[in-house]
Amino acid sequence: QKEVEQNSGPLSVPEGAIASLNCTYSDRGSQSFFWYRQYSGKSPELIMFIYSNGDKEDGRFTAQLNKASQYVSLLIRDSQPSDSATYLCAVNTAAGNKLTFGGGTRVLVKP
Amino acid sequence: KAGVTQTPRYLIKTRGQQVTLSCSPISGHRSVSWYQQTPGQGLQFLFEYFSETQRNKGNFPGRFSGRQFSNSRSEMNVSTLELGDSALYLCASSLDTAKNIQYFGAGTRLSVL
Repeated sequence: QKEVEQNSGPLSVPEGAIASLNCTYSDRGSQSFFWYRQYSGKSPELIMFIYSNGDKEDGRFTAQLNKASQYVSLLIRDSQPSDSATYLCAVNTAAGNKLTFGGGTRVLVKP
Repeated sequence: KAGVTQTPRYLIKTRGQQVTLSCSPISGHRSVSWYQQTPGQGLQFLFEYFSETQRNKGNFPGRFSGRQFSNSRSEMNVSTLELGDSALYLCASSLDTAKNIQYFGAGTRLSVL
């Protein structure tokens, strides 16, 4: 079992709709959870981080964390073509200052 | 505030050579982490440095090494390059709070021929 798992996609979403991305992790001691966006040929860009159970909203993005079920999700509201990218879930494991990444979910927003 | 700076942006080397990549973190950030990204393996952790000490290391062979200087700038070195070392090498810096919020540089794309 991989430490951090994501559906590779592609997740195809009509413009204006909500994109829902999921991520599960195996280390119960994990404390910090991150979502990065990566455009093709570019480096990852941090878009959200969450530490506590529940929801955290930032603009069109909402991160949701459920430590009991060991999953973290990202919602993108009012999806735009510019949101088309790969979204990487990352977890700061209990082992220390090290981020473990999922394989990423490719999102395609169609006009 | 300047972001994470990586140099060079692109490198072409041949098998057997060695290469050194450089990373300057965001001002005030003392932790620097290195990652390798390939289409097949995704983003994989190489190592993390803080105050010139390697605190964490991923599952890579000893050909991969790094160091950090007193100004927090970091370098990584790959010796005896193999074709499989072709990848995007990413550096990330953080303030080293317990939450470990990392910001990435633009990366160095290494091609080994």
